[in-house]
Order: sequence, then structure tokens, then C-alpha cells
Amino acid sequence: RKEVEQDPGPFNVPEGATVAFNCTYSNSASQSFFWYRQDCRKEPKLLMSVYSSGNEDGRFTAQLNRASQYISLLIRDSKLSDSATYLCVVNGNTGFQKLVFGTGTRLLVSP
Amino acid sequence: NAGVTQTPKFQVLKTGQSMTLQCAQDMNHEYMSWYRQDPGMGLRLIHYSVGAGITDQGEVPNGYNVSRSTTEDFPLRLLSAAPSQTSVYFCASSSLAGPETQYFGPGTRLLVL
Repeated sequence: RKEVEQDPGPFNVPEGATVAFNCTYSNSASQSFFWYRQDCRKEPKLLMSVYSSGNEDGRFTAQLNRASQYISLLIRDSKLSDSATYLCVVNGNTGFQKLVFGTGTRLLVSP
Repeated sequence: NAGVTQTPKFQVLKTGQSMTLQCAQDMNHEYMSWYRQDPGMGLRLIHYSVGAGITDQGEVPNGYNVSRSTTEDFPLRLLSAAPSQTSVYFCASSSLAGPETQYFGPGTRLLVL
């Protein structure tokens, strides 16, 4: 079983739609969780951290469910510019810096 | 402020050749790392460093060497390239004071024939 699992998609949604991605992780000792965004043939960039109490940044909301070991990302009012691959990232159990990346979920927003 | 830079952007090697991928950052970050990204595999950690003179292995270190003689530079050396090392390589850096944000370089696309 992969340490971090994501549905690869693609998720095809129209502009203005709400879309949600889930990600499951296997290491119950994980403490830090993040969503990164990666545009086609570009480097990953931090989108947001995921806190136990949840985290909201404009149209983006991230939630953590420790009991079920999954994190989620909700995007409201999708824009064309949201088209990208979203990477779920979890810290490894041997130190904060050993981040484990999921394979990513691809989002395509169409006019 | 250039952030994290990587050279070259693209490289084609023959099996058995050696080369060095360069990575530099100008943010005075203590932590630097190298990842490779392959289809269906996600980013995997190759080597990392928490400061000058200190390096350690990640998940997939075989076939690669690193050194960290300065805070700014963290080169990755392929000793004898193999087709299995065809990949996109990303260098990243972060501050130990705020490690939740890793800044990635633009990547090096490597093809080993």
C-alpha cells in the first residue's frame, strides 16, 4: 500500500463548479499535511497547509480527518486558472522534512 | 531574488556517462533536498541536507551522490547513468525555522539512452 494515495483523475469540471479531492495516508503517526499545486511541466508550489481544525484560504478549504486518515481539498467557484495537478503531501515518521508526496490529482476546468 | 535555480534544464546522456545536476538557492535556507518525479510515482526523495557539510540519504539514493560545501549549493552527481534514471529532477530548499514551505527549482529533465 502506498503511503499517500490519491485519485489521479482527471476531474473535469465547468467554471464556477465546486470540486473536492480526497487523499488517504497510511502512517497514523504523521503530524503535518499539505496540499501543493503543480502546473504542467512546472515545479510544485505550496498551496496550503492542513491543520487539525481545518484551513480556509479564499475559495480553497482543506480538512483533516485523523480517525479515517484522510485529508481533503475543496475548491469553490472553480476558475480556468485552477487547472493543475494537486499533490497531497504528508510528513514522514522520521522527521518533519521527509515529506511524502502523493502522485497527484489532475483538475481540468473548462469554460 | 532568484529563489532556487537548477541547471541544466534538459540533458541527454548515454548509459554509463556521469554528470552533475546543479542546484543553488539565495534564500539562506538550511535545508535542501533532491527529488525525482516519475509518472505514477510521485516525487521521491533522493538525498537531503540540513546544512553545509551534512547530507543524508532519502528514499531512492542508489546511483546518486551529493555534497554540501556551502549553504547555497547542493549538486547531485550521477555516477554512471542508467536508463532507469530517466526522470525529472527537482531541487528544493526550506528554512529550518519554517520548514512547512519547500521552495522548488524549475527542474531538470534527464533522458538516459
